[in-house]
Amino acid sequence: DGGITQSPKYLFRKEGQNVTLSCEQNLNHDAMYWYRQDPGQGLRLIYYSQIVNDFQKGDIAEGYSVSREKKESFPLTVTSAQKNPTAFYLCASSPWADGEETQYFGPGTRLLVL
Amino acid sequence: KQEVTQIPAALSVPEGENLVLNCSFTDSAIYNLQWFRQDPGKGLTSLLLIQSSQREQTSGRLNASLDKSSGRSTLYIAASQPGDSATYLCAAWNSGNTPLVFGKGTRLSVIA
Repeated sequence: DGGITQSPKYLFRKEGQNVTLSCEQNLNHDAMYWYRQDPGQGLRLIYYSQIVNDFQKGDIAEGYSVSREKKESFPLTVTSAQKNPTAFYLCASSPWADGEETQYFGPGTRLLVL
Repeated sequence: KQEVTQIPAALSVPEGENLVLNCSFTDSAIYNLQWFRQDPGKGLTSLLLIQSSQREQTSGRLNASLDKSSGRSTLYIAASQPGDSATYLCAAWNSGNTPLVFGKGTRLSVIA
């Protein structure tokens, strides 16, 4: 079964704590993306990666970090520097530089602050 | 920088009505324009993708059109059903090393 998985579905963060959101895909896509979604804000791009061991900042990268050590995995760490982390986080993947195919999204992780 | 706008932000219609959702973009040099559906608390599902060389795409009761010169796309939903209730997002992809740019979405409610 091909697709994108995100875990956990819900995540709770304490003050000053770093937390990591998992994203895995078995679609053999080169590109992966992380978005943050707040009510009424639409999707905002945090980071994206076109290839293993390379990634670029999106519009709201401050307070977040990523790694791309394997093609199928693109974990997102929400650091303590992110002062308002409560949001719905979506991971996506696509073949890069190919206008033929769309992005495929995971089911999302909802992050809540205790 | 590409900006995508969707109007209206929310729409409520009775079941069976035909409806149109609007999307506008500022940079007409797009590679493609995509429409997604999002159910509450879920990820996005791709509905239609229109290449820059195309004028429209159809899938079942859905028809999406693209007018690059005016910077507009519309999503037409025929004979709406309560199951169509969701948020619909459009996104533009410009060629080069730029990711998709999303609009904020239109929240659709179809009342039985």
